[in-house]
Amino acid sequence: EAQVTQNPRYLITVTGKKLTVTCSQNMNHEYMSWYRQDPGLGLRQIYYSMNVEVTDKGDVPEGYKVSRKEKRNFPLILESPSPNQTSLYFCASSLSMRPGAHEQFFGPGTRLTVL
Amino acid sequence: GEDVEQSLFLSVREGDSSVINCTYTDSSSTYLYWYKQEPGAGLQLLTYIFSNMDMKQDQRLTVLLNKKDKHLSLRIADTQTGDSAIYFCAERDSGGYQKVTFGTGTKLQVIP
Repeated sequence: EAQVTQNPRYLITVTGKKLTVTCSQNMNHEYMSWYRQDPGLGLRQIYYSMNVEVTDKGDVPEGYKVSRKEKRNFPLILESPSPNQTSLYFCASSLSMRPGAHEQFFGPGTRLTVL
Repeated sequence: GEDVEQSLFLSVREGDSSVINCTYTDSSSTYLYWYKQEPGAGLQLLTYIFSNMDMKQDQRLTVLLNKKDKHLSLRIADTQTGDSAIYFCAERDSGGYQKVTFGTGTKLQVIP
């Protein structure tokens, strides 16, 4: 089944304790992206990757890191989480960002609480 | 930067039509999208419209685009309880990266 998977789905942690949220897609997609969803703010892009070893900042990258060593995986790293990073996080992928191949497929989300 | 705005909440009775509105600021948008988010799930693409189109119909869904006013709407005919969800409008710009910007989402409540 074609899908985007994220782990963990739920995480409660404390300020300053490094964590990684994994994202994997099995559709051989070039483009992958991380978003955070907050009430009243919709989805805001954190980081994106156009292909392996190519990543760039989105609208709200502060406090986050990503890597794209393999095409299928795009982990989101919080080196020192803070309470303002409490949010619902979505990973998404698409075949590319070229016209005609632009539908983004979303993972189920990771609900992160930082105490 | 680009801005996409939606009203936060809409309530309709089952069987009525729902109209969800969206305004955007980027005049160079190429594609405009509607995504649906059901409770506890990620977003799923419902439909999209290319910026040189005025209307697109897909079964119970009708998308209207007024490019002059930068206004996009999604009409759901014969709204069902299963249509209860959050609906996100999104626009894609024409720049090299072709970034997609999402709106705040409209929560549609369908009353039986």
